[in-house]
Amino acid sequence: DADVTQTPRNRITKTGKRIMLECSQTKGHDRMYWYRQDPGLGLRLIYYSFDVKDINKGEISDGYSVSRQAQAKFSLSLESAIPNQTALYFCATSDPPGRGSTDTQYFGPGTRLTVL
Amino acid sequence: RKEVEQDPGPFNVPEGATVAFNCTYSNSASQSFFWYRQDCRKEPKLLMSVYSSGNEDGRFTAQLNRASQYISLLIRDSKLSDSATYLCVVNGGTSYDKVIFGPGTSLSVIP
Repeated sequence: DADVTQTPRNRITKTGKRIMLECSQTKGHDRMYWYRQDPGLGLRLIYYSFDVKDINKGEISDGYSVSRQAQAKFSLSLESAIPNQTALYFCATSDPPGRGSTDTQYFGPGTRLTVL
Repeated sequence: RKEVEQDPGPFNVPEGATVAFNCTYSNSASQSFFWYRQDCRKEPKLLMSVYSSGNEDGRFTAQLNRASQYISLLIRDSKLSDSATYLCVVNGGTSYDKVIFGPGTSLSVIP
């Protein structure tokens, strides 16, 4: 089984709808992240969480919100989807450096979201 | 200046060629450095960490120059399967900082 899973894998929705993307991990990592990727723009960080009680905005958090329900779960919500939120969304996890790890990020398979 | 910059690419090389990718970073306090590989429409995956002394993994060699804040990745004897986007990744400098991904450099290995 995959260590980092995302649901759904693909989603088509309409402008104005509320969408939730979910991420679960079995790696036991404290840190979780949400990124979006657009063609030619690379990965951009939306939100990240260093533990269950910690939530931080990334570089493009407007229009998004997150919830860290447990160490293993981190969900991303689009309260009112708009077409320019059409993108490939990745969840990732890592352990902080200094605990036998180097902050290597492990990614889920991605969610392809289309907003019409 | 962007925090992590890479060669813009794309690189189109014949099979068997040697290709080098360059990356520069702006935060002199950064401590961890990585190269990730991303296949089209797939998730990024760690290719190799980059150590101060340089490191090699088969056909791949990574180098770090802290004084110049520069990282490189050398691929020897390119294979068709090496075609992908290569992402340079740098941490923020402390254990409380997130890692920062470069924009990536695309490589196509041509038969």
